[in-house]
Amino acid sequence: DVKVTQSSRYLVKRTGEKVFLECVQDMDHENMFWYRQDPGLGLRLIYFSYDVKMKEKGDIPEGYSVSREKKERFSLILESASTNQTSMYLCASQGARLLYEQYFGPGTRLTVT
Amino acid sequence: GEDVEQSLFLSVREGDSSVINCTYTDSSSTYLYWYKQEPGAGLQLLTYIFSNMDMKQDQRLTVLLNKKDKHLSLRIADTQTGDSAIYFCAEMDSNYQLIWGAGTKLIIKP
Repeated sequence: DVKVTQSSRYLVKRTGEKVFLECVQDMDHENMFWYRQDPGLGLRLIYFSYDVKMKEKGDIPEGYSVSREKKERFSLILESASTNQTSMYLCASQGARLLYEQYFGPGTRLTVT
Repeated sequence: GEDVEQSLFLSVREGDSSVINCTYTDSSSTYLYWYKQEPGAGLQLLTYIFSNMDMKQDQRLTVLLNKKDKHLSLRIADTQTGDSAIYFCAEMDSNYQLIWGAGTKLIIKP
């Protein structure tokens, strides 16, 4: 069974703080993704990575950065958290297999006050 | 760019069939997916269909694909309270990335 874990289920941070969200997968997948999920907007892609040290901007990268130093770990960084970054953050991994299925972590609900 | 659209809510009575609809724009999609998100959880793949298929059945689930109209539907027979969730439609684009719909929240009435 593929397992994708995220460092926190719930997080509360203050405006201006630096925030790290970590994601780890155990299936040796090449591709990893960070999404944010907001009601009525579905999943919006923030960044993705197709290999170690490689990253690509998604649809809404502003205010975020990422790091992929090891294949199994993909980190999302909010350099200076703002209240409009309050959201559910979902990490996913994807292998280069027939179905290209994405496997999701349980999500981190971030509240910025 | 590619777009996937689905209605935000669907309310059905327990025991009835639920039909969740989705339209997409990328005619070159190879795979189309339905994911389920239960409250407080991440998304899980529920079912999928290849673009060369019209229908796929898996126990209580039936997926119908109309390529001409770029319309995908998910039918859940004998809907149960455990089916309460958000259902996401997604298509795979030419870069093997998934384009997501906004999700349909399925509400079950007793």
